[in-house]
This record gives sequence, C-alpha cells and structure tokens, in this order.
Amino acid sequence: KAGVTQTPRYLIKTRGQQVTLSCSPISGHRSVSWYQQTPGQGLQFLFEYFSETQRNKGNFPGRFSGRQFSNSRSEMNVSTLELGDSALYLCASSLSRWPTGELFFGEGSRLTVL
Amino acid sequence: TQLLEQSPQFLSIQEGENLTVYCNSSSVFSSLQWYRQEPGEGPVLLVTVVTGGEVKKLKRLTFQFGDARKDSSLHITAAQPGDTGLYLCAGDSGAQKLVFGQGTRLTINP
Repeated sequence: KAGVTQTPRYLIKTRGQQVTLSCSPISGHRSVSWYQQTPGQGLQFLFEYFSETQRNKGNFPGRFSGRQFSNSRSEMNVSTLELGDSALYLCASSLSRWPTGELFFGEGSRLTVL
Repeated sequence: TQLLEQSPQFLSIQEGENLTVYCNSSSVFSSLQWYRQEPGEGPVLLVTVVTGGEVKKLKRLTFQFGDARKDSSLHITAAQPGDTGLYLCAGDSGAQKLVFGQGTRLTINP
C-alpha cells in the first residue's frame, strides 16, 4: 500500500513569509503527527492529530499550526518565517493513537528560509 | 522535560566490527522505540521494547531495555555497509507524544 506522502519535498522561502506543508497518511491511519528535524536539536514533536482534533502539542511558538481534514490528510502552517525554521519537517501516521504504535514517516519536506 | 541522550553521536567503524549505541534518560518511559533513518528518507521503525530488561533480536541487531526503563542499547554484530544510517531512539513518555534522542550517525566502511 502507498506510504505517507509529503508535499512539497523541497522549498525555499524568505524571512517573514508563511508556508503550508501537506501530509497524506497511509490509508486507514487516523493519527498524524508532525516533527521538526534539525542537526542541532534532532527530532522535535510539533503536534498530533486524531480524527480532526489536535490531541497534543509540542513546545513551539504559535506561529506553528496545523489541522487535519476528514480524510485524515493533514497540513501544517508556519507563519512569519524565521531563519531558525529551516529544517526537515516530517509527518508520521499511525493506525492507533496511543499506546505508541508504529509510526510510519514520510520522506519529509525540507524547508530553507533565507 | 524528558530527554533522551544518545551516545556516541558519531561512529565510524570497519565492516565486520561490532558496536553498541546507547540511549539514556533520567526519566522512565513506558516503551522505547529504535528507528533508522537513511539520507533523504524518513525514519523507519526497527523495534519497540516495552518491558524492563527486555531483549529483542533482529538478525544481527540486539536491542535491550534497561530494568528501570530509563535506558536502552542497540548492539550490532559484524556490521555491514548497509547498516550505515542515523539511529534514533524514541521514548513514549506517557504524555501521548514521543521524545526522540539526538541520534547516532553510524558509518560502516567497507
């Protein structure tokens, strides 16, 4: 079956702009979580959605937001981009919420902020 | 804030050697997962350990969860170039989110 699909794979933005990233989970998976990966901080949890509801949020400023649609597809948005937002943004889907099941990750969206 | 510290951060060894990667925390985790990430791809789950003292083997990889569920190790026997990648441990804090370690970047030289 198809894996987790993230779009776009690469994008370049300038400071102050905003960006929207998309994630299509594996069919039947209702939980979608987002992570930011940087060389210095590693993988950091952004938020998790289940059945269109945000169930948990990491320690990121309000500029980072997300949503999930009825078909489980999810988007995350970053407004007023800063240089430090440059990172690989990973989406992961899982069949159940918790306890932790296997997370299936997409290939990520690599964001560069100039 | 629960943290997972991995060591070493970087490891470069010759094919055929053995190695161990460690994942330590001062916090207790209800379960712990190990992922491997290759360049240009997302992490892929290798194993989940849930019981203190648990040992799981996956071919040449052996995973152990500490008795107190605060630490874990990954041992690779007779490493091969295909084992090259970023190894990540991730703990389930029970707060409905995974906490990841910084990762160990492993390079196996032919």
